[in-house]
Amino acid sequence: GQQLNQSPQSMFIQEGEDVSMNCTSSSIFNTWLWYKQDPGEGPVLLIALYKAGELTSNGRLTAQFGITRKDSFLNISASIPSDVGIYFCARLLLPYNTDKLIFGTGTRLQVFP
Amino acid sequence: DTGVSQNPRHKITKRGQNVTFRCDPISEHNRLYWYRQTLGQGPEFLTYFQNEAQLEKSRLLSDRFSAERPKGSFSTLEIQRTEQGDSAMYLCASSVPGQSALAKNIQYFGAGTRLSVL
Repeated sequence: GQQLNQSPQSMFIQEGEDVSMNCTSSSIFNTWLWYKQDPGEGPVLLIALYKAGELTSNGRLTAQFGITRKDSFLNISASIPSDVGIYFCARLLLPYNTDKLIFGTGTRLQVFP
Repeated sequence: DTGVSQNPRHKITKRGQNVTFRCDPISEHNRLYWYRQTLGQGPEFLTYFQNEAQLEKSRLLSDRFSAERPKGSFSTLEIQRTEQGDSAMYLCASSVPGQSALAKNIQYFGAGTRLSVL
């Protein structure tokens, strides 16, 4: 089963609003990844985080690797309609020579004009 | 298109039939992964290859499932005697392993094959 908990499960926001979602785990990890999945498509990588405390931006998206190494946050500023989709956090399962991803439960985002 | 390609995009089959899916990874990527995603869930790992060698299989991969990557390029995933519980999106991803201990093995996903078993 899934070992990463994401919250909230879903969000309904108005265009222009900022969004914040998070992902938590009971174990510590060295890598956090954030993916977005559009309906009927595969996940697309948004941001990758490799160090505790790391803060990385990709356009309107900002993600942080929690200092405890057990959580991560994704923020979207000034949301637009194309931000609609499901956002997944993921982590690499150690040891690295397997590098299979473990995905969270997802946060479904709806943006209304 | 130089991304990961999966065929077919959709497959509808009757229970008990065999199905086969194909994945063509990004050309220089030597690692290839299969995941399964059911409605409302995140993708779950099934198996992965480094070149032609299948290095790991999940417990989700029952005896009815088999994956191959004969020449280290494209891969096939076959499901024999399909069951309704096999209905899901089957995703393929590929990557190039990094050189450092903190290997930045970014996995790039295809659009998936959606299987419906009636």
